[in-house]
Amino acid sequence: DIQMTQSPSSLFASVGDRVTITCRASQGIANYLAWYQQKPGKVPKLLISGASTLQSGVPSRFSARGYGTDFTLTISSLQPEDVATYYCQKYNRVPYTFGQGTKLEIK
Amino acid sequence: EVQLVESGGVVVQPGGSLRLSCAASGFTFDDYALHWVRQAPGKGLEWVSLISWDGSSIYYADSVKGRFTISRDNSNSFVYLQMNSLRAEDTALYYCAKDIGGSGSYPLDHWGRGTLVTVSS
Repeated sequence: DIQMTQSPSSLFASVGDRVTITCRASQGIANYLAWYQQKPGKVPKLLISGASTLQSGVPSRFSARGYGTDFTLTISSLQPEDVATYYCQKYNRVPYTFGQGTKLEIK
Repeated sequence: EVQLVESGGVVVQPGGSLRLSCAASGFTFDDYALHWVRQAPGKGLEWVSLISWDGSSIYYADSVKGRFTISRDNSNSFVYLQMNSLRAEDTALYYCAKDIGGSGSYPLDHWGRGTLVTVSS
């Protein structure tokens, strides 16, 4: 099975910082990659599909790119409401594995 | 508005069985695949199972294969997860989630709030 590895596992940043989270697949998955945001005590929310397509209503400070095995999620200017755990997920074929998550906190 | 409401989570002994239900509304239920995803306390997300729009395609994570069975009732807009031979490591919040497509080859765009399953003696 393809493994999904995120880095870093946790991240402290300041408001206004540019933040980048990386997700690496152990084999190529084309652009079958999604990003989810899970705020503390809340349900996961789909942010990005197709590796780079922002879902409706997601702030434009979020962006993502990648293809094959290497993917990134970037927040251009970190806001307090962005505190959350971020997960990548592959969906090219089963199992639809999630990365282990990146916990983002404010310094 | 899309709504997914899970139920059925309880405390169960190891080796026991349980059936989770997910009631769906706000969308054309039989157009979409549904998934179960779980999250152990303080841990990350784990994909569990998928059923296509018509129930013809069903998949499971290796960790639950042979013990869990997913099914759906398109007449009443329910998806179920029958869980047998439960183990302590199955303790988690179980989410029902809607696929963007019908076959299950897309991300999950709506999630329920989850139902908690605790396996403990």
